[in-house]
Amino acid sequence: QSVLTQPPSASGTPGQRVTVSCSGSSSNIGNNYVHWYQHLPGTAPKLLVYRDNQRPSGVPDRFSGSKSGTSASLAISGLRSEDEADYYCAAWDDSLSSRVFGGGTKVTVL
Amino acid sequence: QVQLRESGPGLVEPSGTLSLTCVVSGGSISGSHYWSWVRQPPGKGLEWIGEIFHRGGTNSNPSLKSRVTISVDKSKNQFSLELTSVTAADTAVYYCARLPSDSFDYWGQGILVTVSS
Repeated sequence: QSVLTQPPSASGTPGQRVTVSCSGSSSNIGNNYVHWYQHLPGTAPKLLVYRDNQRPSGVPDRFSGSKSGTSASLAISGLRSEDEADYYCAAWDDSLSSRVFGGGTKVTVL
Repeated sequence: QVQLRESGPGLVEPSGTLSLTCVVSGGSISGSHYWSWVRQPPGKGLEWIGEIFHRGGTNSNPSLKSRVTISVDKSKNQFSLELTSVTAADTAVYYCARLPSDSFDYWGQGILVTVSS
């Protein structure tokens, strides 16, 4: 059971907006930055959003991150077939003194 | 462009030691970054193992701390992971990654390590 809680799956049709949630506590999301990664099986995970809402160079602005209190969200707008992947949130946890990940959300493009 | 590549045995016997190396190319391991290990057991999510700064300071997951050693070899621009007393639960794809501040910006392709006799 992951410290950060994500829904196991989410889906949408091409062009739709999909949101992936990540719920934590005051010791992680509530007091530290949240980062989001995209992972396609058999490939290296890719940093999508860092420090709650910052996009690395090269990441399309269709991907956006937000945070409120002890929860965070990743939004994918204009959903494309290539967005079908697993998405993970991550943060530092002060109580555990450890980096923690969410359990991952599989996004399916219908 | 920074690239990371993991190498090591793909099969380790139970109670043995898992040893992996991550070679860094396209950048110096002596930069202002931490270098980290993350794993993904089959069908499960990502788990942070630990990290090292080029000067040798380390930090690791409390659940694995007693079994983990991470070291750096600046002359070879690489860093390594040793995980002792392995069991089937340690079977996973192991990734190395760069941590410039608090997020992993570059990752290796991963290496599958199976613990089995």
